Amino acid sequence: SYELTQPPSMSVSPGQTASIACSGDKLGNRYACWYQLRSGQSPLLLIYQDDRRPSGIPERFSGSNSGNTATLTISGTQTMDEADYYCQAWDSTTPVFGGGTKLTVL
Amino acid sequence: QVTLRESGPALVKTTQTITLTCTFSGFSLTTSGIFVSWIRQPPGKALEWLALIDWHEDKYYNTSLKTRLTISTDTSKNQVVLTMTNMDPVDTATYYCARIPPGGKAAGLGFDYWGQGALVTVSS
Repeated sequence: SYELTQPPSMSVSPGQTASIACSGDKLGNRYACWYQLRSGQSPLLLIYQDDRRPSGIPERFSGSNSGNTATLTISGTQTMDEADYYCQAWDSTTPVFGGGTKLTVL
Repeated sequence: QVTLRESGPALVKTTQTITLTCTFSGFSLTTSGIFVSWIRQPPGKALEWLALIDWHEDKYYNTSLKTRLTISTDTSKNQVVLTMTNMDPVDTATYYCARIPPGGKAAGLGFDYWGQGALVTVSS
């Protein structure tokens, strides 16, 4: 079965750029999505089709996908961006989630 | 406006069977390309995909849980139902239903709407 790997945690200072990686075999040949999960809230779709933002998602969130790695980049990180972030791709007919990355903003 | 809402028992006992219902509005599961899925998150752990049903009522399951899960739909009621048998304390989690928009799976559109989640606690 297909697997996606993320770093368990990372930290960033307010105003700095955070880059969260998601790795999988030939992930660049698949579409990647990214979700934000804040404590007590439902997951929010941040990025779809590797690099597209749904309506209402701030421009500071961007995505890329090439080779074996998809990356979520948060530019000008704000304290409100402290959350868990999950990548997701498709393994043929079924979705696969990464293990999640806890982003601390301090 | 698309909304999804999960409902079901908050507390079940070990070995029992649980039935969770996702009631949605703002779209129809008969629309070509639409999918509705169940996903859970145990406390302090990662999201885990459980099951998926599409507009043809084709069904897909997490292989590690396949023998315990059944997903079904009642299109007249705009509901998707998940049944999980032989519940265990490790199944304690928040259970979400979520939608993939038309064409989403092939085009990589992702789960664009989620319910608020239903916390299910399994006691021994």
